[in-house]
Amino acid sequence: NAGVTQTPKFRVLKTGQSMTLLCAQDMNHEYMYWYRQDPGMGLRLIHYSVGEGTTAKGEVPDGYNVSRLKKQNFLLGLESAAPSQTSVYFCASSLMTEAFFGQGTRLTVV
Amino acid sequence: AQSVAQPEDQVNVAEGNPLTVKCTYSVSGNPYLFWYVQYPNRGLQFLLKYITGDNLVKGSYGFEAEFNKSQTSFHLKKPSALVSDSALYFCALCNNNDMRFGAGTRLTVKP
Repeated sequence: NAGVTQTPKFRVLKTGQSMTLLCAQDMNHEYMYWYRQDPGMGLRLIHYSVGEGTTAKGEVPDGYNVSRLKKQNFLLGLESAAPSQTSVYFCASSLMTEAFFGQGTRLTVV
Repeated sequence: AQSVAQPEDQVNVAEGNPLTVKCTYSVSGNPYLFWYVQYPNRGLQFLLKYITGDNLVKGSYGFEAEFNKSQTSFHLKKPSALVSDSALYFCALCNNNDMRFGAGTRLTVKP
């Protein structure tokens, strides 16, 4: 049972490049979340999903897009990366009792 | 709008002493409240939750938290701290499927 798996674990992007972060969960959870973690700011919610085919904006959605075409996967896209998007990104899934987190993706935009 | 505040960036305690990590929240309606812990280079791990019922909830590793509706607080406590409790602690609030976190409190337990 893998839980929540994020790929890739590390990535360096040049400004203006695009990329997609993949989150996969094998717990049949309805709810999935994408957060970014920056020093002193805790985890800030980017987007979330309450089920297959649904997405909603969180606190800091600008510059990101998401898709939930399959229940087990939640994709986070950066269309044109900016240095301000350098961060550690965490995905989580939940059944509204407790959330399970992936190991994180460290993204650097240069 | 909902929000979570952790007023202390850092908490230092001596091993064996009681510890408290503070959390306050703001939300319309009934909150679901959580505490998570993060160790270096890891994702967050669930400690405990308050959904409804008893105001004192017990969780993993001897931690407990007290829900106080009048003070809109959900402080994390442990009667006797261990060096291994040193980590980053996050309070979280969930309302209408939207889960928000506080900025985190770094707990350091000194031998």
